[in-house]
Amino acid sequence: DTGVSQDPRHKITKRGQNVTFRCDPISEHNRLYWYRQTLGQGPEFLTYFQNEAQLEKSRLLSDRFSAERPKGSFSTLEIQRTEQGDSAMYLCASSLFGTGLSSPLHFGNGTRLTVT
Amino acid sequence: AQKITQTQPGMFVQEKEAVTLDCTYDTSDPSYGLFWYKQPSSGEMIFLIYQGSYDQQNATEGRYSLNFQKARKSANLVISASQLGDSAMYFCAILDTGRRALTFGSGTRLQVQP
Repeated sequence: DTGVSQDPRHKITKRGQNVTFRCDPISEHNRLYWYRQTLGQGPEFLTYFQNEAQLEKSRLLSDRFSAERPKGSFSTLEIQRTEQGDSAMYLCASSLFGTGLSSPLHFGNGTRLTVT
Repeated sequence: AQKITQTQPGMFVQEKEAVTLDCTYDTSDPSYGLFWYKQPSSGEMIFLIYQGSYDQQNATEGRYSLNFQKARKSANLVISASQLGDSAMYFCAILDTGRRALTFGSGTRLQVQP
């Protein structure tokens, strides 16, 4: 168990550019979640996958955001035409669905995005 | 929809004393789980403790315990014998049987003073 890994740790981009983040979950976990966290706030749910199927998207996830988990393993989150309001910490988490409510989400260290 | 309310933006506690961080929740689901996470300044979210809605006893994990009052919809975290390393943001979160995605509160910043 090497934990949830996110890459990159930090990303600075200019407004209007596209960015892509990667998340590698804990290997045996079948659920993968993306959250966004702004300074001083709790994480906000964006979307989640069970295996390769994207089961839910928050209304926070505008058309400029897209997430994939092509083979049910790693996931990518892409933001197109970035805006300054996209500046935040993007957190990935994974869990093992089917073991009851007590199975916690395990979080990665996040990718901090700064849009200038 | 689920909702978590943490009314204490910041708390101070002296080292070695106990502290209680408040959390109230709202859900229409009869089966749910409540979680507490710690987020140090380094940013990682660290799972601390879990309480199930049907659990008869309050959860405990080392120095962490959960004061679960179902009728009042509260799930307060108690940290005993505070240590300097406990200084961090603490988030309460709820998970229901439907979506299985955590809904977080706005957090409480705890500062432990020597």
